[in-house]
Amino acid sequence: GNSVTQMEGPVTLSEEAFLTINCTYTATGYPSLFWYVQYPGEGLQLLLKATKADDKGSNKGFEATYRKETTSFHLEKGSVQVSDSAVYFCALSLFQGGSEKLVFGKGMKLTVNP
Amino acid sequence: NAGVTQTPKFQVLKTGQSMTLQCAQDMNHEYMSWYRQDPGMGLRLIHYSVGAGITDQGEVPNGYNVSRSTTEDFPLRLLSAAPSQTSVYFCASSYLRTGGTYGYTFGSGTRLTVV
Repeated sequence: GNSVTQMEGPVTLSEEAFLTINCTYTATGYPSLFWYVQYPGEGLQLLLKATKADDKGSNKGFEATYRKETTSFHLEKGSVQVSDSAVYFCALSLFQGGSEKLVFGKGMKLTVNP
Repeated sequence: NAGVTQTPKFQVLKTGQSMTLQCAQDMNHEYMSWYRQDPGMGLRLIHYSVGAGITDQGEVPNGYNVSRSTTEDFPLRLLSAAPSQTSVYFCASSYLRTGGTYGYTFGSGTRLTVV
């Protein structure tokens, strides 16, 4: 079946630290890959995406590269800020049976301290 | 645009009570879905719909009913609430064939507690 495995945390970093959140996937086809972010008390927001192998998604200083050979989509940021404190979800999407199916990892809570 | 609107934001129910969680979108998205979010479990798909009059079950459908009479609305019904249904519920929508390109739009969630 289709699944996403990601670091679960929680993780606490100091401001300006380097961030990596690992994400690997299992899929029967060729999925699109996403990172969603959930700020406290809010719904999920799309952070970045990649739709094919070797694509790099980027947004707000975050980057992730679609690696088909390692089935991975790790999220990185060179210098985190307090405002990056949130829960981060890796997800894949596959078009099957006439509709798109979105499968999420369990999420990782990040806290950034000043 | 309002995007995806969920009501209510908070709800407390007694075991056995029924209620409907409302979800409405104004983006003309064909695809709508309901997820529940539980600690350590991520988001799990409850039910989804690919258009008016068409619904299907997701990963955890038991205890929930849905209907899709219009493109805009996708209500989730709990017929007899149980404490195991205590969770945060999210509605999400997308264009049917491009959700994988543009991602999903999520509502802000309904926090439900069943006592």
